[in-house]
Amino acid sequence: SQELEQSPQSLIVQEGKNLTINCTSSKTLYGLYWYKQKYGEGLIFLMMLQKGGEEKSHEKITAKLDEKKQQSSLHITASQPSHAGIYLCGAERGGSNYKLTFGKGTLLTVNP
Amino acid sequence: GAGVSQSPSNKVTEKGKDVELRCDPISGHTALYWYRQSLGQGLEFLIYFQGNSAPDKSGLPSDRFSAERTGGSVSTLTIQRTQQEDSAVYLCASSLVMGGRYYEQYFGPGTRLTVT
Repeated sequence: SQELEQSPQSLIVQEGKNLTINCTSSKTLYGLYWYKQKYGEGLIFLMMLQKGGEEKSHEKITAKLDEKKQQSSLHITASQPSHAGIYLCGAERGGSNYKLTFGKGTLLTVNP
Repeated sequence: GAGVSQSPSNKVTEKGKDVELRCDPISGHTALYWYRQSLGQGLEFLIYFQGNSAPDKSGLPSDRFSAERTGGSVSTLTIQRTQQEDSAVYLCASSLVMGGRYYEQYFGPGTRLTVT
């Protein structure tokens, strides 16, 4: 079974709307990374969360880590077409903080 | 500074041929990683290097896959006798390592491999 489940798998929103993407782990989370990928390109690092309850923001994107629920959420406020892409969460596994396991991604479309 | 670069960006090869994929990491990043991204499988870890050594090769799918890194910089992923199931995007990443801690990984644009 997939260690990291992302929901939803895809999302279409109107420009200006807020949205949330979730990443749930079946195993203990030690460190959680959010990346964004545009078609045909590599992954762009967004944020890394390490401690339970930690919350980080960059421009209009906020990510939170709920260690007890083994879950992270990524929230985009007032979405823009530039936010469109695939959002991937990646998690460290205990004892190997070099090796990331990734979810299958959430495809975000923002309609102008 | 320059990011992670990979070459070629696209590679089409015939089944049974060998291919070499190249990764040039960010200068100063001692850790280098190879991942594979394919439809339905998501992003899979293949191998990582700390300096020139590869402590973890656990993700390599078969003995047809090998990788090396020389001079603590450029790395080459080699796939011998390619099969159609090898078709995927191969992504390379690099990161800083300080005090035993591996920092966030920065990815290259990938090499799209198509085996016909």
